[in-house]
Amino acid sequence: DAMVIQNPRYQVTQFGKPVTLSCSQTLNHNVMYWYQQKSSQAPKLLFHYYDKDFNNEADTPDNFQSRRPNTSFCFLDIRSPGLGDAAMYLCATEPSRPNSGGALKNNEQFFGPGTRLTVL
Amino acid sequence: AQSVTQLDSHVSVSEGTPVLLRCNYSSSYSPSLFWYVQHPNKGLQLLLKYTSAATLVKGINGFEAEFKKSETSFHLTKPSAHMSDAAEYFCVVSVRTGGFKTIFGAGTRLFVKA
Repeated sequence: DAMVIQNPRYQVTQFGKPVTLSCSQTLNHNVMYWYQQKSSQAPKLLFHYYDKDFNNEADTPDNFQSRRPNTSFCFLDIRSPGLGDAAMYLCATEPSRPNSGGALKNNEQFFGPGTRLTVL
Repeated sequence: AQSVTQLDSHVSVSEGTPVLLRCNYSSSYSPSLFWYVQHPNKGLQLLLKYTSAATLVKGINGFEAEFKKSETSFHLTKPSAHMSDAAEYFCVVSVRTGGFKTIFGAGTRLFVKA
Protein backbone atom coordinates (compact mmCIF):
# COMPACT_ATOMS: atom_id res chain seq x y z
CA ASP A 1 0.00 0.00 0.00
CA ALA A 2 1.16 3.50 -0.80
CA MET A 3 1.89 5.33 2.38
CA VAL A 4 3.85 7.82 4.46
CA ILE A 5 6.31 6.22 6.86
CA GLN A 6 8.01 7.88 9.80
CA ASN A 7 10.94 6.46 11.68
CA PRO A 8 11.39 6.04 14.49
CA ARG A 9 7.92 6.19 16.05
CA TYR A 10 9.44 7.14 19.39
CA GLN A 11 12.70 9.02 19.82
CA VAL A 12 14.41 9.96 23.03
CA THR A 13 17.26 12.45 23.01
CA GLN A 14 19.17 14.49 25.52
CA PHE A 15 18.98 18.22 25.97
CA GLY A 16 21.23 19.79 23.36
CA LYS A 17 22.04 16.56 21.51
CA PRO A 18 21.23 16.76 17.78
CA VAL A 19 18.52 14.47 16.54
CA THR A 20 17.17 13.56 13.11
CA LEU A 21 13.70 12.34 12.33
CA SER A 22 12.96 10.73 9.00
CA CYS A 23 9.99 10.49 6.70
CA SER A 24 9.59 8.48 3.54
CA GLN A 25 6.73 8.13 1.11
CA THR A 26 5.71 5.74 -1.63
CA LEU A 27 3.02 8.08 -2.99
CA ASN A 28 5.36 10.02 -5.27
CA HIS A 29 3.87 13.29 -4.05
CA ASN A 30 5.86 16.40 -4.83
CA VAL A 31 5.01 18.31 -1.64
CA MET A 32 6.22 17.24 1.79
CA TYR A 33 5.46 18.92 5.11
CA TRP A 34 6.80 18.81 8.64
CA TYR A 35 4.49 19.70 11.50
CA GLN A 36 5.08 19.97 15.22
CA GLN A 37 2.17 18.98 17.43
CA LYS A 38 2.21 19.52 21.17
CA SER A 39 -0.23 17.89 23.54
CA SER A 40 -3.86 18.94 22.98
CA GLN A 41 -2.89 21.41 20.26
CA ALA A 42 -3.32 21.58 16.53
CA PRO A 43 -0.38 20.69 14.30
CA LYS A 44 1.91 23.66 13.67
CA LEU A 45 3.57 23.83 10.28
CA LEU A 46 7.35 24.12 10.49
CA PHE A 47 8.19 24.05 6.77
CA HIS A 48 7.37 22.39 3.52
CA TYR A 49 9.06 21.39 0.30
CA TYR A 50 7.43 22.02 -3.03
CA ASP A 51 9.54 19.70 -5.16
CA LYS A 52 13.04 20.78 -4.17
CA ASP A 53 12.01 24.28 -3.11
CA PHE A 54 12.23 24.73 0.64
CA ASN A 55 9.66 26.96 2.32
CA ASN A 56 10.23 27.92 5.93
CA GLU A 57 7.43 29.30 8.10
CA ALA A 58 8.33 32.70 9.49
CA ASP A 59 8.11 31.59 13.11
CA THR A 60 10.01 28.32 12.78
CA PRO A 61 13.10 28.49 15.02
CA ASP A 62 16.53 28.26 13.40
CA ASN A 63 17.10 25.19 15.56
CA PHE A 64 14.93 23.26 13.09
CA GLN A 65 16.34 22.34 9.70
CA SER A 66 15.21 20.04 6.95
CA ARG A 67 16.66 18.09 4.06
CA ARG A 68 15.01 16.47 1.12
CA PRO A 69 17.57 14.46 -0.84
CA ASN A 70 15.00 13.03 -3.24
CA THR A 71 11.25 12.83 -3.82
CA SER A 72 10.75 9.96 -1.41
CA PHE A 73 12.65 11.10 1.66
CA CYS A 74 12.55 14.11 3.93
CA PHE A 75 14.43 14.66 7.18
CA LEU A 76 13.88 16.93 10.14
CA ASP A 77 17.04 17.92 11.99
CA ILE A 78 16.85 19.50 15.41
CA ARG A 79 20.29 20.90 16.07
CA SER A 80 20.08 21.50 19.81
CA PRO A 81 16.85 20.13 21.25
CA GLY A 82 15.40 21.93 24.21
CA LEU A 83 12.79 20.70 26.63
CA GLY A 84 10.21 22.77 24.74
CA ASP A 85 10.84 20.77 21.59
CA ALA A 86 9.32 17.64 23.07
CA ALA A 87 6.32 16.97 20.86
CA MET A 88 4.83 14.76 18.18
CA TYR A 89 6.35 15.48 14.78
CA LEU A 90 4.13 14.74 11.82
CA CYS A 91 5.19 14.36 8.23
CA ALA A 92 2.65 14.81 5.45
CA THR A 93 2.64 14.69 1.67
CA GLU A 94 0.45 16.25 -0.98
CA PRO A 95 0.22 15.94 -4.75
CA SER A 96 0.16 19.52 -6.03
CA ARG A 97 0.72 20.29 -9.67
CA PRO A 98 -0.61 23.21 -11.67
CA ASN A 99 -3.55 22.56 -13.96
CA SER A 100 -3.56 23.57 -17.61
CA GLY A 101 -4.40 27.12 -16.55
CA GLY A 102 -1.45 27.28 -14.19
CA ALA A 103 -3.56 27.16 -11.02
CA LEU A 104 -2.66 24.84 -8.19
CA LYS A 105 -5.39 22.47 -7.08
CA ASN A 106 -6.17 22.05 -3.41
CA ASN A 107 -5.59 18.47 -2.42
CA GLU A 108 -5.67 16.70 0.87
CA GLN A 109 -2.52 15.93 2.78
CA PHE A 110 -1.54 12.38 3.63
CA PHE A 111 -0.08 12.06 7.09
CA GLY A 112 2.40 9.65 8.55
CA PRO A 113 1.84 8.16 12.03
CA GLY A 114 4.20 10.67 13.64
CA THR A 115 7.35 10.48 15.74
CA ARG A 116 7.01 11.29 19.40
CA LEU A 117 10.14 13.08 20.60
CA THR A 118 11.12 13.09 24.24
CA VAL A 119 13.90 15.41 25.43
CA LEU A 120 15.59 14.49 28.71
CA ALA B 1 -5.83 36.22 5.05
CA GLN B 2 -7.21 32.87 6.09
CA SER B 3 -8.45 31.68 9.47
CA VAL B 4 -10.36 28.78 10.94
CA THR B 5 -12.41 28.73 14.12
CA GLN B 6 -13.66 25.53 15.67
CA LEU B 7 -16.37 26.73 17.96
CA ASP B 8 -16.19 23.95 20.53
CA SER B 9 -13.03 22.63 22.14
CA HIS B 10 -14.94 19.63 23.53
CA VAL B 11 -18.16 17.91 22.49
CA SER B 12 -19.73 15.05 24.42
CA VAL B 13 -22.50 12.86 22.99
CA SER B 14 -24.09 9.55 23.85
CA GLU B 15 -23.60 6.57 21.58
CA GLY B 16 -26.30 6.48 18.92
CA THR B 17 -27.06 10.21 19.07
CA PRO B 18 -26.15 12.79 16.40
CA VAL B 19 -22.78 14.50 16.25
CA LEU B 20 -22.26 18.16 15.30
CA LEU B 21 -18.77 19.67 15.22
CA ARG B 22 -18.77 23.31 14.19
CA CYS B 23 -16.25 25.09 12.01
CA ASN B 24 -16.24 28.65 10.67
CA TYR B 25 -13.64 30.00 8.30
CA SER B 26 -12.56 33.16 6.59
CA SER B 27 -10.57 33.40 3.41
CA SER B 28 -9.63 36.04 0.90
CA TYR B 29 -9.73 33.44 -1.83
CA SER B 30 -11.93 30.49 -2.68
CA PRO B 31 -10.76 27.92 -0.16
CA SER B 32 -10.79 24.20 0.00
CA LEU B 33 -11.93 22.83 3.32
CA PHE B 34 -11.09 19.56 5.00
CA TRP B 35 -11.94 17.64 8.12
CA TYR B 36 -9.31 15.35 9.59
CA VAL B 37 -9.60 12.96 12.52
CA GLN B 38 -6.79 12.05 14.88
CA HIS B 39 -6.93 9.15 17.30
CA PRO B 40 -4.53 9.19 20.28
CA ASN B 41 -0.87 8.92 19.29
CA LYS B 42 -1.75 8.53 15.62
CA GLY B 43 -1.39 10.64 12.52
CA LEU B 44 -4.26 12.52 10.93
CA GLN B 45 -6.72 10.81 8.64
CA LEU B 46 -8.86 12.62 6.09
CA LEU B 47 -12.59 12.37 6.76
CA LEU B 48 -13.83 14.49 3.87
CA LYS B 49 -13.03 17.49 1.72
CA TYR B 50 -14.74 20.33 -0.08
CA THR B 51 -13.00 21.64 -3.19
CA SER B 52 -15.65 23.81 -4.92
CA ALA B 53 -17.81 20.99 -6.26
CA ALA B 54 -20.94 19.77 -4.39
CA THR B 55 -21.58 21.75 -1.22
CA LEU B 56 -22.76 18.67 0.69
CA VAL B 57 -19.80 16.41 1.08
CA LYS B 58 -19.94 12.82 2.25
CA GLY B 59 -16.93 11.27 3.89
CA ILE B 60 -15.83 8.08 5.52
CA ASN B 61 -17.43 6.42 8.55
CA GLY B 62 -20.80 8.08 7.97
CA PHE B 63 -19.59 11.67 8.38
CA GLU B 64 -20.71 14.49 6.17
CA ALA B 65 -20.29 18.26 6.04
CA GLU B 66 -22.03 21.09 4.27
CA PHE B 67 -20.20 24.09 2.86
CA LYS B 68 -22.27 27.22 3.44
CA LYS B 69 -20.62 30.21 1.85
CA SER B 70 -23.17 32.71 3.17
CA GLU B 71 -22.46 31.56 6.72
CA THR B 72 -18.75 30.83 6.11
CA SER B 73 -19.29 27.50 7.82
CA PHE B 74 -18.29 23.90 7.22
CA HIS B 75 -19.85 21.95 10.08
CA LEU B 76 -19.23 18.23 10.44
CA THR B 77 -22.16 15.94 11.24
CA LYS B 78 -22.92 12.28 11.75
CA PRO B 79 -26.41 10.89 12.39
CA SER B 80 -25.41 8.35 14.99
CA ALA B 81 -22.23 8.37 17.07
CA HIS B 82 -20.20 5.25 17.66
CA MET B 83 -17.74 4.67 20.46
CA SER B 84 -14.95 4.45 17.90
CA ASP B 85 -15.66 8.07 16.84
CA ALA B 86 -14.10 9.36 20.05
CA ALA B 87 -11.07 11.33 18.83
CA GLU B 88 -9.77 14.80 18.00
CA TYR B 89 -11.19 16.47 14.91
CA PHE B 90 -9.50 19.26 12.95
CA CYS B 91 -11.08 21.59 10.43
CA VAL B 92 -8.55 22.81 7.86
CA VAL B 93 -8.61 25.60 5.29
CA SER B 94 -6.34 25.34 2.29
CA VAL B 95 -5.60 28.07 -0.24
CA ARG B 96 -3.33 27.77 -3.25
CA THR B 97 -4.01 31.19 -4.76
CA GLY B 98 -1.73 34.03 -3.74
CA GLY B 99 0.46 31.62 -1.81
CA PHE B 100 0.58 28.14 -0.38
CA LYS B 101 -1.37 28.18 2.87
CA THR B 102 -2.86 25.49 5.07
CA ILE B 103 -4.52 26.64 8.28
CA PHE B 104 -5.61 24.26 11.02
CA GLY B 105 -8.39 24.91 13.48
CA ALA B 106 -7.60 24.39 17.15
CA GLY B 107 -9.40 21.06 17.19
CA THR B 108 -12.50 19.62 18.83
CA ARG B 109 -12.26 16.65 21.15
CA LEU B 110 -15.25 14.35 20.72
CA PHE B 111 -16.26 12.20 23.67
CA VAL B 112 -18.77 9.39 23.16
CA LYS B 113 -20.57 8.01 26.20
CA ALA B 114 -21.92 4.48 26.33
